[in-house]
Amino acid sequence: KAGVTQTPRYLIKTRGQQVTLSCSPISGHRSVSWYQQTPGQGLQFLFEYFSETQRNKGNFPGRFSGRQFSNSRSEMNVSTLELGDSALYLCASSLFGDQPQHFGDGTRLSIL
Amino acid sequence: DAKTTQPTSMDCAEGRAANLPCNHSTISGNEYVYWYRQIHSQGPQYIIHGLKNNETNEMASLIITEDRKSSTLILPHATLRDTAVYYCIVRLAGGTSYGKLTFGQGTILTVHP
Repeated sequence: KAGVTQTPRYLIKTRGQQVTLSCSPISGHRSVSWYQQTPGQGLQFLFEYFSETQRNKGNFPGRFSGRQFSNSRSEMNVSTLELGDSALYLCASSLFGDQPQHFGDGTRLSIL
Repeated sequence: DAKTTQPTSMDCAEGRAANLPCNHSTISGNEYVYWYRQIHSQGPQYIIHGLKNNETNEMASLIITEDRKSSTLILPHATLRDTAVYYCIVRLAGGTSYGKLTFGQGTILTVHP
């Protein structure tokens, strides 16, 4: 069974640009969560989607948004990028959201 | 979600059992204990979880004290590939905490040859 796939693996952007990251969950999983990992703040929850609806949201500014498609694939978007957005962005999937989550290997975003 | 306390780092000899403690003294009755690990440059990997009974799977064993205020993750025969950051997470079952795991700083486990 294929795991969680995140694309791209690496991305370099400049301040002010926007970026879209993609996540394909494990087949059959309907819940997709996103996390940001930085050396200073560790792993922080961004948001969770289930059946194309955002059910839970972490404490991040509105520049961070996401969506989920009918096939459960998810994207997250960050607009007006800031230097502090440099991080590893991780996606995790689970069957319904309260079962064990399985993570992808992330997208490493660097802002210049 | 209840707060957890873990040692910052631990060492273990290859082939020996690694016992990683976690304190969660404010855990409530409907909160599970989850363990994940993260190997450098990879996403976190689910290891095991439990509510009140001890659990075992192909990766590890989870021992939860009777009062549920602490737990221990046991890797029975540690290998060099088990070197990673281990996170103990307490998580509410159901409710509105959909998809949210609250990660602390974890324990850096180093397995030595």
